Amino acid sequence: DAGITQSPRHKVTETGTPVTLRCHQTENHRYMYWYRQDPGHGLRLIHYSYGVKDTDKGEVSDGYSVSRSKTEDFLLTLESATSSQTSVYFCAISSGQIWETQYFGPGTRLLVL
Amino acid sequence: AQSVTQPDIHITVSEGASLELRCNYSYGATPYLFWYVQSPGQGLQLLLKYFSGDTLVQGIKGFEAEFKRSQSSFNLRKPSVHWSDAAEYFCAVGAGDDKIIFGKGTRLHILP
Repeated sequence: DAGITQSPRHKVTETGTPVTLRCHQTENHRYMYWYRQDPGHGLRLIHYSYGVKDTDKGEVSDGYSVSRSKTEDFLLTLESATSSQTSVYFCAISSGQIWETQYFGPGTRLLVL
Repeated sequence: AQSVTQPDIHITVSEGASLELRCNYSYGATPYLFWYVQSPGQGLQLLLKYFSGDTLVQGIKGFEAEFKRSQSSFNLRKPSVHWSDAAEYFCAVGAGDDKIIFGKGTRLHILP
């Protein structure tokens, strides 16, 4: 299995509070992705990174920011959490081009009350 | 814009029966196509992918998929399902940049 960890694995927070999710990899892969998974929507891309300090938006980026200061870490921040951001968040990594396999982490289940 | 449609939200088959999960895509050029599987409480795992060459692609766990350009389809098949195949299956298409677009998934239920 690819070395990807996500922390925390579960979190309950209140509306309006900031939340940071961490994705850590030990594979030295260039690309890292954050997705959210919601019933009836499948997986939707929030943000992705193609290198240290190089990031871009996905289809559902509003309300989220990311940072990547090291190859191995990709942080997802909800600046002010809302109930609509209750979801399961997955990090994924890949070595390069679009045809490369994406390897997924175990997910973080976030509940915003 | 690229898109992926999985017409079936749920499918139920008996153990030992054959399986076909449907996937249709929309993309102007030759697509990169993927099938991923997600077991309950887990992340996604790649089953197989297509980006060129033979249109019949073999994957892990006995799965295969066939790319049909004329039908814009990439259906997943297995000749005989096992109870452990119960999971959610996602079709995905590679977009023109660094991203892939996932379908909404098909949940597979297996009857004993």
